Amino acid sequence: DAKTTQPPSMDCAEGRAANLPCNHSTISGNEYVYWYRQIHSQGPQYIIHGLKNNETNEMASLIITEDRKSSTLILPHATLRDTAVYYCIVRVEGGADGLTFGKGTHLIIQP
Amino acid sequence: DTGVSQDPRHKITKRGQNVTFRCDPISEHNRLYWYRQTLGQGPEFLTYFQNEAQLEKSRLLSDRFSAERPKGSFSTLEIQRTEQGDSAMYLCASSFPSGQETQYFGPGTRLLVL
Repeated sequence: DAKTTQPPSMDCAEGRAANLPCNHSTISGNEYVYWYRQIHSQGPQYIIHGLKNNETNEMASLIITEDRKSSTLILPHATLRDTAVYYCIVRVEGGADGLTFGKGTHLIIQP
Repeated sequence: DTGVSQDPRHKITKRGQNVTFRCDPISEHNRLYWYRQTLGQGPEFLTYFQNEAQLEKSRLLSDRFSAERPKGSFSTLEIQRTEQGDSAMYLCASSFPSGQETQYFGPGTRLLVL
């Protein structure tokens, strides 16, 4: 699986959009971009994933650049409960192996 | 609550003792994964099962670590002769195989080895 690079930490004001970047310049054509988050002392939680088109669900939006070398996770109206470590992971379609987590981005939502 | 449960949630043991953790996946999920997470790091993949078959175990940290899933439902992770360096959060996840499988994680078991 390709390697990802994320900033170690970010702040965002409550109610504003939180934009979390991820670089995956060595991504292969059959690799998806997945985002998970981990709230303190809990297991990771799936957020969203995509291949090349932008994706949106009830939790977030995922914007993938046309060359697929980077992506941005957008939490449209951040709340204090969104404070967590966010992990960007690339993974082969249908891959059955474990996920490869980096250190992620610690997002802190400020009141 | 993802539907994946782990037991116990916390375990304190003395160095040299054996410990066993249990994971109950979401019922229709036939893939089950074990991870370890140390402080300040992301989860680290250890092993996974498809039904009762253990398809990857080369990432298990040493021969003191073993995992089973005898009937393709719940799984156990055992650590023999625990060491202080085994102190960590042990996470279980499950998934249903599809083209874009998503893993659902349990709350984890936090192990402290004294």
